[in-house]
Amino acid sequence: DTGVSQDPRHKITKRGQNVTFRCDPISEHNRLYWYRQTLGQGPEFLTYFQNEAQLEKSRLLSDRFSAERPKGSFSTLEIQRTEQGDSAMYLCASSLVWPLAALGTQYFGPGTRLLVL
Amino acid sequence: GQQVMQIPQYQHVQEGEDFTTYCNSSTTLSNIQWYKQRPGGHPVFLIQLVKSGEVKKQKRLTFQFGEAKKNSSLHITATQTTDVGTYFCAGGSNFGNEKLTFGTGTRLTIIP
Repeated sequence: DTGVSQDPRHKITKRGQNVTFRCDPISEHNRLYWYRQTLGQGPEFLTYFQNEAQLEKSRLLSDRFSAERPKGSFSTLEIQRTEQGDSAMYLCASSLVWPLAALGTQYFGPGTRLLVL
Repeated sequence: GQQVMQIPQYQHVQEGEDFTTYCNSSTTLSNIQWYKQRPGGHPVFLIQLVKSGEVKKQKRLTFQFGEAKKNSSLHITATQTTDVGTYFCAGGSNFGNEKLTFGTGTRLTIIP
């Protein structure tokens, strides 16, 4: 499978615990995005990377959230001291920067569904 | 901040009927994209529109970008059961910086 993969697919945790999610983008894609989606809503942008550089972070990304892409390939999203309000689907997407015609196309992974008890 | 609204929120149609969803942004967009998300699935890219007044077709799907680049529509002709899902528009405010603002989505169900 050459698409975007995410691990784990589901995570149940207790309030206050830390969780970490992993995203493996399509191999030649240099942009990687994280979104959060709650039931009945559209995905909300969290952050994105171009190669290993984190270029933008949403105000939704509180101090408890941190994302890394150390080698410009896979990325991790960590949530510290989870709260019930963090329960959501966390989606990762990747895209090419060049050619320009491909710039807008984001390919989404299957997501990690987080439930905080 | 930028807001993108879609109407209707839900649409139930008989198989074979047409379907349209409308997308409106609070600010001028550099581009708009459309995604489809099947129940339990993830968003799948359908198309991107960049030019003012642009119209693109994909088989039974017609996408339009408004002249002011603040609104868009997706029209499906003669719906089929495979069209079931939620359709999201997503607006880009700065082409090249692809932070997308997704709309609220329109959930389409088909009555066979």
